Amino acid sequence: DQQVKQNSPSLSVQEGRISILNCDYTNSMFDYFLWYKKYPAEGPTFLISISSIKDKNEDGRFTVFLNKSAKHLSLHIVPSQPGDSAVYFCAAKETGANNLFFGTGTRLTVIP
Amino acid sequence: DGGITQSPKYLFRKEGQNVTLSCEQNLNHDAMYWYRQDPGQGLRLIYYSQIVNDFQKGDIAEGYSVSREKKESFPLTVTSAQKNPTAFYLCASSSGPRAFFGPGTRLTVL
Repeated sequence: DQQVKQNSPSLSVQEGRISILNCDYTNSMFDYFLWYKKYPAEGPTFLISISSIKDKNEDGRFTVFLNKSAKHLSLHIVPSQPGDSAVYFCAAKETGANNLFFGTGTRLTVIP
Repeated sequence: DGGITQSPKYLFRKEGQNVTLSCEQNLNHDAMYWYRQDPGQGLRLIYYSQIVNDFQKGDIAEGYSVSREKKESFPLTVTSAQKNPTAFYLCASSSGPRAFFGPGTRLTVL
């Protein structure tokens, strides 16, 4: 059973606007969450992360929000740029473990 | 230049043959992982190793085998017992919660 879910397989956004990618999880033992960006035929690259003790983490144009009670996190990209077009994976880890559980990914297309 | 290398980038295999995918890292990370990506699915964990000479099965270990004789290396063998081996395989390493990925190997079974 998928413990990390990304229910939107794709998202299209106009350049300059905000992109919001969503992720839900079911395991209450998850204590650390990450977002990875992936281009075709390449490995994922780390984008931003958040610990369960926080509800927001910001890095430049990227902000991740965590709502523990709803078991939901989101990635905001503002402003969106054409180079942001990629597949974004949400990932989570359990307390005391290192292996990551990944969602199915959301393909973001930023239209110039 | 630190990082993770996987070779080859593309690999073709005849049905019924075993094949080994290479993964090397020079990041001095203790933990290493193998993931598989299929279209429309997330990354699924095949095997992981927290330390040399030790490894554990992930969610989809059937038909795969690994070894961890050196800290830098974590080769994955796709055996003939793996029913659907055609996929994109990703190796990763970590020294904490953040994993670093290699460029991947696309395996196609003919």
